[in-house]
Amino acid sequence: DIVMTQTPLSSGVTLGQPASISCRSSQSLVNRDGNTYLSWLQQRPGQPPRLLIYQISNRFSGVPDRFSGSGAGTDFTLKISRVEAEDVGVYFCMQAAQFPWTFGQGTKVDIK
Amino acid sequence: QVQLVESGGGVVQPGRSLRISCAASGFPFSSDVMHWVRQPPGKGLEWVARISHDSTSIQYADSVRGRLIISRDNSKSMLYLQMNSLRAEDTAVYHCAKDLGGAWALDHWGQGILVTVSS
Repeated sequence: DIVMTQTPLSSGVTLGQPASISCRSSQSLVNRDGNTYLSWLQQRPGQPPRLLIYQISNRFSGVPDRFSGSGAGTDFTLKISRVEAEDVGVYFCMQAAQFPWTFGQGTKVDIK
Repeated sequence: QVQLVESGGGVVQPGRSLRISCAASGFPFSSDVMHWVRQPPGKGLEWVARISHDSTSIQYADSVRGRLIISRDNSKSMLYLQMNSLRAEDTAVYHCAKDLGGAWALDHWGQGILVTVSS
């Protein structure tokens, strides 16, 4: 199975400041079709996960443009350009390059 | 809008069975791949199973293969998870999730239903 490792596991951010989360996979996420199936999800307290980014850098419908994704191969990053109060929650990366799909441990983002 | 509503959870003894359901609406259910993902209380996410739109292709996590069975009824827009030989480690909130067709991501999630395996 592909192991997904996120850092940091917890991040306290000042409102209006940037935040960055790293996700590393134990093997390349480039699928046989040439696409890289790495997505990012946000889980606010008491809510189900919500898709933010798919295929490394594509923002899902309705996701604010302060969220951006980047990376390639085995190293990926989610960036929030200016953290807002509503961004508090846990962020997960997920790989769908091969079954079983696997998630990172989650990174808890809160406000300092 | 897309809605996914799980039902059928509860407390069940180890070794027993339970079936949970997910009612889908707001999108062409019969055209979409569906998944189950679980989350033990206070912990992270674990992908459980995937079923193609026509049920011809199914994949499972190793931890559940042979015990949990994913199925669907397109005529009713329903997704199911039959859970057999339940173990304490199956205790979790179970979410059904819709696949973002072709992009291999999970674009809509249900609120989830809690299954507790305990004697």
